[in-house]
Amino acid sequence: GAVVSQHPSWVICKSGTSVKIECRSLDFQATTMFWYRQFPKQSLMLMATSNEGSKATYEQGVEKDKFLINHASLTLSTLTVTSAHPEDSSFYICSASTDYNEQFFGPGTRLTVL
Amino acid sequence: TQLLEQSPQFLSIQEGENLTVYCNSSSVFSSLQWYRQEPGEGPVLLVTVVTGGEVKKLKRLTFQFGDARKDSSLHITAAQPGDTGLYLCAGGEGGSEKLVFGKGTKLTVNP
Repeated sequence: GAVVSQHPSWVICKSGTSVKIECRSLDFQATTMFWYRQFPKQSLMLMATSNEGSKATYEQGVEKDKFLINHASLTLSTLTVTSAHPEDSSFYICSASTDYNEQFFGPGTRLTVL
Repeated sequence: TQLLEQSPQFLSIQEGENLTVYCNSSSVFSSLQWYRQEPGEGPVLLVTVVTGGEVKKLKRLTFQFGDARKDSSLHITAAQPGDTGLYLCAGGEGGSEKLVFGKGTKLTVNP
């Protein structure tokens, strides 16, 4: 149980375009989902906390207009990177929280902006 | 802001050796989770400990939560090449669903 999926697993886009990443909890309902960014050989950096039906809470330094988060249902959250630039290239990982406050992670999305 | 210090940052050992990874903080955590992450994949939850002094075993892996809930350790017995990966500890902040992550320990087990 506690399976989280992400789509796509990798994406290459041109500078200036927008990219949407989906995060789904497949076998449980998650009231809270999290979006992280991970640079090579580094740990996870929390970008935002997403609650179903309400606005996401962004961490300090994360641009909310650049990284749009929508949590439309208890099993789906999306992250849209708007007007992507090469510095946005990274590994984006989502997680979903269970009732026991454990977080289960998706497999990640590798974004490359040319 | 609560911080978690993980040590060592890198560890390269031979198959069959034992090892311990440490996760320390000056802050108290309501829970402590250990994850293992392989390159290009998301972290996989190994264990959650919530009680001070708690010890959990998962085959060759032993996890301990400090009595004061400020530190934790992961001990691997007779390491195997399949144990290779990035081990991350993460602390749950009381009253929040957010996790504070350590910087990770990159373990390489050589055959």
